Amino acid sequence: IAGITQAPTSQILAAGRRMTLRCTQDMRHNAMYWYRQDLGLGLRLIHYSNTAGTTGKGEVPDGYSVSRANTDDFPLTLASAVPSQTSVYFCASSQGATSYNEQFFGPGTRLTVL
Amino acid sequence: QKEVEQDPGPLSVPEGAIVSLNCTYSNSAFQYFMWYRQYSRKGPELLMYTYSSGNKEDGRFTAQVDKSSKYISLFIRDSQPSDSATYLCATPGYSSASKIIFGSGTRLSIRP
Repeated sequence: IAGITQAPTSQILAAGRRMTLRCTQDMRHNAMYWYRQDLGLGLRLIHYSNTAGTTGKGEVPDGYSVSRANTDDFPLTLASAVPSQTSVYFCASSQGATSYNEQFFGPGTRLTVL
Repeated sequence: QKEVEQDPGPLSVPEGAIVSLNCTYSNSAFQYFMWYRQYSRKGPELLMYTYSSGNKEDGRFTAQVDKSSKYISLFIRDSQPSDSATYLCATPGYSSASKIIFGSGTRLSIRP
């Protein structure tokens, strides 16, 4: 079934550890996104990539980095995790990079930083 | 002020009721609006979209935009337990080069 996969499904992480959340899509979409979802704050954009080889900062990029080496994969790295990064992380993709394009979301990764 | 605001709920209604979910937005230049539905422990999925003022109907769902009051609504007729989810309103903002702005979501529960 075509779509977006994320791994891991959930993770408990000690503060200060490095963690990479994986995201893969098989729809050959050009644009990909990482969001975090927190109660009362909704979805907030962390980083995005309009096309392979390019990335951009979203609303809350601090403490996170991304890379887009190819069309399908868009990993999100927390270099040194802090408790405030406890959240549910969603990867999404869209065919085009404009904000009018429908975004397709993965199932999410629940991350707890202790 | 947030650019898109929603009452977080939770909203609980009996099966068969008409549900009204609402958002307000701050920028009168916004013209395109979307509703995403998110089931528990799943990612959001696009439910419907509407452009500028007026209504758009899709089965039991109707999206409505009132530009004069900067108010967007989603109505669900003959609500079903399977409609229980969080509903997020969203807008691409005032430019296609911007990124989607999401409301915080309203959690809806339909009681059988």
